[in-house]
Amino acid sequence: AQSVTQLGSHVSVSEGALVLLRCNYSSSVPPYLFWYVQYPNQGLQLLLKYTSAATLVKGINGFEAEFKKSETSFHLTKPSAHMSDAAEYFCAVSVNTGRRALTFGSGTRLQVQP
Amino acid sequence: DAGVIQSPRHEVTEMGQEVTLRCKPISGHNSLFWYRQTMMRGLELLIYFNNNVPIDDSGMPEDRFSAKMPNASFSTLKIQPSEPRDSAVYFCASRGAGGAYEQYFGPGTRLTVT
Repeated sequence: AQSVTQLGSHVSVSEGALVLLRCNYSSSVPPYLFWYVQYPNQGLQLLLKYTSAATLVKGINGFEAEFKKSETSFHLTKPSAHMSDAAEYFCAVSVNTGRRALTFGSGTRLQVQP
Repeated sequence: DAGVIQSPRHEVTEMGQEVTLRCKPISGHNSLFWYRQTMMRGLELLIYFNNNVPIDDSGMPEDRFSAKMPNASFSTLKIQPSEPRDSAVYFCASRGAGGAYEQYFGPGTRLTVT
């Protein structure tokens, strides 16, 4: 079975600073990996996905994530935080076998200070 | 394109009452998921349909919960009788047949049981 661990339930950065949200996965077969963002009182929106093509994946709103098999990681980054990035971010994993459902991490709440 | 549609967006009911949540998936998608989100337990998968057939309902909390998908464009999640501990945000998500199995989420229904 696959699993995801998000390190840090809360991350606070200053506006303009680097954003780094950490995600480590566990999977016995090659995974598909995803980052979702949830703004207050909204559903989850897909930010980006890794599908075994390029290891560096670019998503919406200037975010990107790098798949590192040796570290079993898929950290989310953005060079310069905006106030509008304040939200909760979820990492998720799926595999191409079985029920192919997503397994979500527990989420990281990003605060952006002015 | 219309995304996943959920209704109602907010529901307040008294303990013991029946509650029905509704979901219309994205047209052409063949998988549908119901999730529940709470502060304590995070995002939990309740049930998963593929081609209108329930594939995995192991996340359904108890017999008070039931879900149906009578056709490819409509699903319901029913709670009868409702209890205060059922208060949560309930999300519906859908997924297409191909790709990396990313899911697309609706805006959610915020349920409050008093």
